[in-house]
Amino acid sequence: GDSVTQMEGPVTLSEEAFLTINCTYTATGYPSLFWYVQYPGEGLQLLLKATKADDKGSNKGFEATYRKETTSFHLEKGSVQVSDSAVYFCALSSGGSYIPTFGRGTSLIVHP
Amino acid sequence: EAGVAQSPRYKIIEKRQSVAFWCNPISGHATLYWYQQILGQGPKLLIQFQNNGVVDDSQLPKDRFSAERLKGVDSTLKIQPAKLEDSAVYLCASSSRTGGVQNTQYFGPGTRLTVL
Repeated sequence: GDSVTQMEGPVTLSEEAFLTINCTYTATGYPSLFWYVQYPGEGLQLLLKATKADDKGSNKGFEATYRKETTSFHLEKGSVQVSDSAVYFCALSSGGSYIPTFGRGTSLIVHP
Repeated sequence: EAGVAQSPRYKIIEKRQSVAFWCNPISGHATLYWYQQILGQGPKLLIQFQNNGVVDDSQLPKDRFSAERLKGVDSTLKIQPAKLEDSAVYLCASSSRTGGVQNTQYFGPGTRLTVL
């Protein structure tokens, strides 16, 4: 079945550091890929998505590129802020249901 | 626009007791989802409603879990009797329609359940 593997956290960075959170997936067919973010005390929010190979999703300074050859969708940001501290979930959906299959989540802590 | 509302935010019960969670989706959203998020794992779909009908409940443990959405608006998820392994965050989400990759789900803040 479909699955998503994320790097374990927490990831701890200083403000303005470069961020990478790794995500790889296993799926049949051609899934759509997503990153969700969960800020403390809030629900999950869709951060960005990509629906086909080589697509780049971007939002709020975050980017991720759909790499079919490496089955990856790594999340990057050039300069993180304290306000980016949250839990980040990689997810995919395939077939007709469009229900996301989520990874375990990666906690990001950004220090001033 | 108000977001997805859930209550209570936290609940502590003893095993074998019953518990109910409530969700009010975004106004006008026809599709409602309940997810279970166990600590250290990603959310897992329990049940999906389209208006007041069930679309997918294949992952719902029906011997102890039940859910309803009687008027096609708000929804209740019940556990009876609860087990220790039911300790998790229960997330409700809604979307304006069922299918399509463009269909975005909006999540509520969740209810954190602890079963002692």
